[in-house]
This record gives sequence, structure tokens and C-alpha cells, in this order.
Amino acid sequence: EADIYQTPRYLVIGTGKKITLECSQTMGHDKMYWYQQDPGMELHLIHYSYGVNSTEKGDLSSESTVSRIRTEHFPLTLESARPSHTSQYLCASSAGQGKNTGELFFGEGSRLTVL
Amino acid sequence: KNQVEQSPQSLIILEGKNCTLQCNYTVSPFSNLRWYKQDTGRGPVSLTIMTFSENTKSNGRYTATLDADTKQSSLHITASQLSDSASYICVVSDRGSTLGRLYFGRGTQLTVWP
Repeated sequence: EADIYQTPRYLVIGTGKKITLECSQTMGHDKMYWYQQDPGMELHLIHYSYGVNSTEKGDLSSESTVSRIRTEHFPLTLESARPSHTSQYLCASSAGQGKNTGELFFGEGSRLTVL
Repeated sequence: KNQVEQSPQSLIILEGKNCTLQCNYTVSPFSNLRWYKQDTGRGPVSLTIMTFSENTKSNGRYTATLDADTKQSSLHITASQLSDSASYICVVSDRGSTLGRLYFGRGTQLTVWP
């Protein structure tokens, strides 16, 4: 079992609400990632971080924001949720060196539904 | 365009039978190829990672093969069990970008019936 945790596992909220999806890992990995996955579709990278105070946008444009104040913590925030944000959000971490992504360890995911 | 295509999209087999899942990719320059297993409602779990020089890698009843010349990989599952029911995702990494970017397939949904 990988030591990477996501909360909440399931969240149903109304349009316009602010939400934060939490992700924590205890493996000391510098690299952390957020992916978005819709049913039957491939994972899309929306944010990544190479270490504390480092955050970058991924390939898929997202209205969410992330922060990396501590190595183990990589929360994702939506200031004003919309139905189009309904999706599965997966957090991952890796110990890859340099350009090497390394083996990815995923959390269990947060299933977000915006009404 | 860098892409990863998996086939079949879905597969149903009986418990105890073997099956093979396919992955074709156009990612270049190639770094490594990974297979993940994703149970419904859970995060993906790594099965194997293969580099250019590796053409076979096993993890228990799972055996992955890689042909870097034809840009094809397969995942063979032996003596399937009910717990093998999951989506199997092929992921290819390139070595041409600063990120070591990963390209994900859409997965093959495997269902094992008793």
C-alpha cells in the first residue's frame, strides 16, 4: 500500500462553493501531481510540483489552484465550483530524479460532484 | 502526435483463463512504458515499468512485453482471478521534455466472471 492519502473521497456540493481537496504523502517524495479523470477516459495532468514552493500547470487547463508549502502536503482548491468541474481527481507522488518522473504512487482519488 | 492506444476497450473472460491486453504507442523519444491496474473507484497501482532495453517483465501472474521497434506492448494475465477485474492502463514516458511527460492510454476494462 502506498502512503499517499486523499480527502474527501466523495464530495457533493452546490455551484459557486469553494472546495479544497487534500493530498498528503509520507514517503518524502519531492514530486507531486494532480490528475483529472473522467469515466472511460485517460488521466490528464492539471498541476505538478517539484518541491516546496514549486507549482506548475499541467497539460489540461484547469481553474483550480494548488500550493506546496510543505513537502508532504499538496492541496488543490477550486474557488467557485461549477458542474463542469465534476470529475475524479487523483493525487500522485514520485521520487524521480531530474527529468525522470519515476514510479508514480497514487492516492485513492476524490470524486467531486457539483450540482 | 504522441499517443497511446489500447485494445480491446473492454474484455470479459472466465475465471482461470488467460488473457492478453495490447498497447500501441507513437511517443518519441521513448523513455519507459508502464502498466497500471485501477480498481473501480480507486487510484491506479503500478504493475511494471520497462525501459528501452527490457522486452519482458513479470509481476506474479502479470507479464508485460515490450517491442520498442514496433512500439507495441502487451500485458498477459495468467490464470485470471475475480480480483483481476479492473481497468489496465498503459502509460508511456518520453525523454524529450523537461517534465519527463507521461502519456496515458484510456485503459482496457477487464471483467472476470466466475
